[in-house]
Amino acid sequence: EAGVAQSPRYKIIEKRQSVAFWCNPISGHATLYWYQQILGQGPKLLIQFQNNGVVDDSQLPKDRFSAERLKGVDSTLKIQPAKLEDSAVYLCASSLEGTINQPQHFGDGTRLSIL
Amino acid sequence: GQSLEQPSEVTAVEGAIVQINCTYQTSGFYGLSWYQQHDGGAPTFLSYNGLDGLEETGRFSSFLSRSDSYGYLLLQELQMKDSASYFCAMKGNYGQNFVFGPGTRLSVLP
Repeated sequence: EAGVAQSPRYKIIEKRQSVAFWCNPISGHATLYWYQQILGQGPKLLIQFQNNGVVDDSQLPKDRFSAERLKGVDSTLKIQPAKLEDSAVYLCASSLEGTINQPQHFGDGTRLSIL
Repeated sequence: GQSLEQPSEVTAVEGAIVQINCTYQTSGFYGLSWYQQHDGGAPTFLSYNGLDGLEETGRFSSFLSRSDSYGYLLLQELQMKDSASYFCAMKGNYGQNFVFGPGTRLSVLP
């Protein structure tokens, strides 16, 4: 089966600019996650979707980050405006269900650098 | 809140056995998962423990003790390709999100 697809692979922008990331999960996976991973740290959950509804966005900085999952398949994560502290790898993952026993399948991520 | 603790680094030689510990704090608990991440790569799922005891998958085993809020990942017959970061992860009660530990960087020496 095809894995989780993410694009772009790399992105460099200046602070206060906007950026968007795209994710296509594994076919049939109802749950989609966006994580932020700062170098040397574990992934931090930003938002979790179940189909096209939000299950958890408690750690999403909603003043600058937004995400949507239209039609319960693809998802986009946007940052506007970007800050230096947003430099990180943004990982998308999907799973059959949103339970801890279900493996999360990760994409290769988007490495974002803010100048 | 929820939190997990792991050693930051572990070093071992090829062919050896290494144990990576994980302690957690949470008000509710559904289980502990383990992920491997090579430098520049995506995390990949290794194992899950929902109940106390040992789960074995090839060279890798994972253990959980709910009463001690503790788990570990055991890697046997270490190979150079096992050099990576290892993360424990958990999910607490409904409404609490998935939390990953800070990660343990394993270096396997020849």
